[in-house]
Amino acid sequence: GQSLEQPSEVTAVEGAIVQINCTYQTSGFYGLSWYQQHDGGAPTFLSYNALDGLEETGRFSSFLSRSDSYGYLLLQELQMKDSASYFCAVRDRGNQGGKLIFGQGTELSVKP
Amino acid sequence: DTAVSQTPKYLVTQMGNDKSIKCEQNLGHDTMYWYKQDSKKFLKIMFSYNNKELIINETVPNRFSPKSPDKAHLNLHINSLELGDSAVYFCASSQDGTSAHTQYFGPGTRLTVL
Repeated sequence: GQSLEQPSEVTAVEGAIVQINCTYQTSGFYGLSWYQQHDGGAPTFLSYNALDGLEETGRFSSFLSRSDSYGYLLLQELQMKDSASYFCAVRDRGNQGGKLIFGQGTELSVKP
Repeated sequence: DTAVSQTPKYLVTQMGNDKSIKCEQNLGHDTMYWYKQDSKKFLKIMFSYNNKELIINETVPNRFSPKSPDKAHLNLHINSLELGDSAVYFCASSQDGTSAHTQYFGPGTRLTVL
């Protein structure tokens, strides 16, 4: 089966750096995605790692270690608007390319 | 120029009724999905279609029936609604099945069954 573990809540202050970890267990693995969802909104794609290493997109970076079945999302220079839920998701092998299995989400609260 | 749209945004109905949710994407994508997000924000795939063909059908009660008239549309019909069906339903699309890691979500339909 498949399972993903991420912390349920993280709190940080404006301007700080926060890291949201994700460990996964899957029967087949293509890569790790991250999505952001504000309250009442839709999930929005942030990043995707298929290979080991760090991917940087502005203030957000995502890291993957396939040997450790582990990844993280790093948010720098936190802003109030970064308060949201963050989901890691694994692309699983399946028919015609697979599907996404989502973690339970990490609720990030950014305080002034 | 909305990429993925869903109607209605809110749906309040009585137990036992039948309802439909419509989804359309104008991204030219081949693959579309339906997800259910419960009150604890757990996002679970229900169905996936690739070019009008059903490719993923999770263990969803057969009261739920998706229909894809063309690759830009994926509708969800729910028969005999139950209290447990109350949730937010999201439609999403990706370029194709191999691009499932990057999905574009619609705004969601909040279904409340009374």
